[in-house]
Amino acid sequence: GDSVTQMEGPVTLSEEAFLTINCTYTATGYPSLFWYVQYPGEGLQLLLKATKADDKGSNKGFEATYRKETTSFHLEKGSVQVSDSAVYFCALRAGGTSYGKLTFGQGTILTVHP
Amino acid sequence: ETGVTQSPTHLIKTRGQQVTLRCSSQSGHNTVSWYQQALGQGPQFIFQYYREEENGRGNFPPRFSGLQFPNYSSELNVNALELDDSALYLCASSQAGAGKSYEQYFGPGTRLTVT
Repeated sequence: GDSVTQMEGPVTLSEEAFLTINCTYTATGYPSLFWYVQYPGEGLQLLLKATKADDKGSNKGFEATYRKETTSFHLEKGSVQVSDSAVYFCALRAGGTSYGKLTFGQGTILTVHP
Repeated sequence: ETGVTQSPTHLIKTRGQQVTLRCSSQSGHNTVSWYQQALGQGPQFIFQYYREEENGRGNFPPRFSGLQFPNYSSELNVNALELDDSALYLCASSQAGAGKSYEQYFGPGTRLTVT
């Protein structure tokens, strides 16, 4: 079945450091890929998405590129801020499904110190 | 535009009891999906409702059931609660149909504690 694997966490960085959170997936066909962010006590917010190979999703300084050859969708940001502290989830939606079920990774906790 | 809302925010139940959680979808959305998020884990898909019919189900037992109403709001019912049902329950709404994005917008969740 479909699955998403995220890098082991948590991740702790100083403000303005470079961020990478690794994500790899297993799916049949051509899934759409997503990064969601969850701030303490809140639900999930869509951060960015990519729907086909080589697409780059970007938002709020975060970027991720859909790499079909390595089945990866790594999240990057050049300079993190304290306000980026949250839990980040990689997710996929299998291609061709009629109902758009999302399959999530286990999440990566990011803490940014001043 | 009103986002996805859920009620209640928190509740505590005893093992063996039944619980109903509620979700109001975002304006213009016709599909509601429910997810269970255990502490420290990613959300797990429970099921989805489209036009008042169940339209996909994850690996959850039949004691997890749902409804969708004509206004597209939804309920999640869990019977015979078990301790492992303690989790954050997330509702997400989306617009399904030809040419639609299916992008899911999440509510803040209901935190269920079973004692």
